[in-house]
Amino acid sequence: AQTIHQWPVAEIKAVGSPLSLGCTIKGKSSPNLYWYWQATGGTLQQLFYSITVGQVESVVQLNLSASRPKDDQFILSTEKLLLSHSGFYLCAWSLARGDTQYFGPGTRLLVL
Amino acid sequence: GQQVKQSSPSLTVQEGGISILNCDYENDMFDYFAWYKKYPDNSPTLLISVRSNVDKREDGRLTVFLNKSGKHFSLHITASQPEDTAVYLCAAVGYGNEKITFGAGTKLTIKP
Repeated sequence: AQTIHQWPVAEIKAVGSPLSLGCTIKGKSSPNLYWYWQATGGTLQQLFYSITVGQVESVVQLNLSASRPKDDQFILSTEKLLLSHSGFYLCAWSLARGDTQYFGPGTRLLVL
Repeated sequence: GQQVKQSSPSLTVQEGGISILNCDYENDMFDYFAWYKKYPDNSPTLLISVRSNVDKREDGRLTVFLNKSGKHFSLHITASQPEDTAVYLCAAVGYGNEKITFGAGTKLTIKP
């Protein structure tokens, strides 16, 4: 069975500080991976997707970047956090293009 | 503009009744439609999905109806139970596309 982990569970960070959120998938090789973000009271938005190691496509520009250093790992990061980065970050995976996406438990981020 | 719209932010249904959740979309290229269930501070869980080549799919108490000409799809939950209380997100994906677009969500409350 596939499992998806996200870390950290929650984080409080200062404006201007760096951020790194992680996501790993176990039990599935070469999954499609996605990052989503939802501001409090907002709509879930797709940020990035990756079909293979080393390749990441940006969907929405939010002064964030993503990388896929390994087949089972997806990293979301920024060098300088903004207040507007607060929210709930979700990682997801799917078997193939346009297929059902399964979500991880999420990371809650508060930027002060 | 919003490509996937859930016009009702909230819905209350009596226990045992039928809950009907609606979603409208704008993009003719969407060909995969899904409903997700989301509890507060949790990640979305896929409930049911359908490809554009079918207009109805049933799974237990859940039925999704797709009306392509009307650019509308809906989720019917029969014999609604208190544990059905949650936020329901509709989602759509374009053919050959990785980008999934979510609606803003409808908060369903089942009253005992």
